[in-house]
Amino acid sequence: SYELTQPPSVSVSPGQTASITCSGHKLGDKFACWYQQKPGQSPLLVIYQDIKRPSGIPERFSGSNSGNTATLTITGTQAADEADYFCQTWDKNFVVFGGGTKLTVL
Amino acid sequence: EVQLLESGGGLVQPGGSLRLSCAASGFTFSSYGMSWVRQAPGKGLEWVSTISGGGGSIYYADSVQGRFTISRDKSKNTLELQMNNLRPEDTAVYYCAKRLGATPEYDSWGQGTLVTVSS
Repeated sequence: SYELTQPPSVSVSPGQTASITCSGHKLGDKFACWYQQKPGQSPLLVIYQDIKRPSGIPERFSGSNSGNTATLTITGTQAADEADYFCQTWDKNFVVFGGGTKLTVL
Repeated sequence: EVQLLESGGGLVQPGGSLRLSCAASGFTFSSYGMSWVRQAPGKGLEWVSTISGGGGSIYYADSVQGRFTISRDKSKNTLELQMNNLRPEDTAVYYCAKRLGATPEYDSWGQGTLVTVSS
């Protein structure tokens, strides 16, 4: 079965750039998306089809996907961006999530 | 505004059954594929099952295949998940999620309903 790997945690200072990676075999040949989840809340789609932002998602969120790695980049990270982030793709008709990355803004 | 409201969670003994429902509103329900995604306490997201807009295509994760059944009622705009032979490892918050479009990215999620399997 297909697997996605994320680092368990990433730390960033306020105002700096945070990068969260998601690795999978030939992931660049698939579409990847990203969800943000804050404690006690449901996931929120922040990037889909590798690079697109849903309406209402700030421009500081961006995505890329090439080779074996998809990356979520948050430019000018704010305290409000502290959350868990999950990547997701699909293989045939099966949806696959990464294990999640806890982003700490300190 | 899209709204998804799950119900039906609770405490059940191992081997028992439970039926989850998700009431959908704010969009043309029959036009979108829907999924159940679960999250064990303190853990990540796990896809459970997907049903197409028309209901003709259904997929399950290996972990629930043969025990769970997804369905949708277009007259009631409701998504359901019948869970049989429940195991302790099925303990999780269960979310219903709406697909953004033709591809399985989820742009709307319910608030979740907690299922606890324990004796």
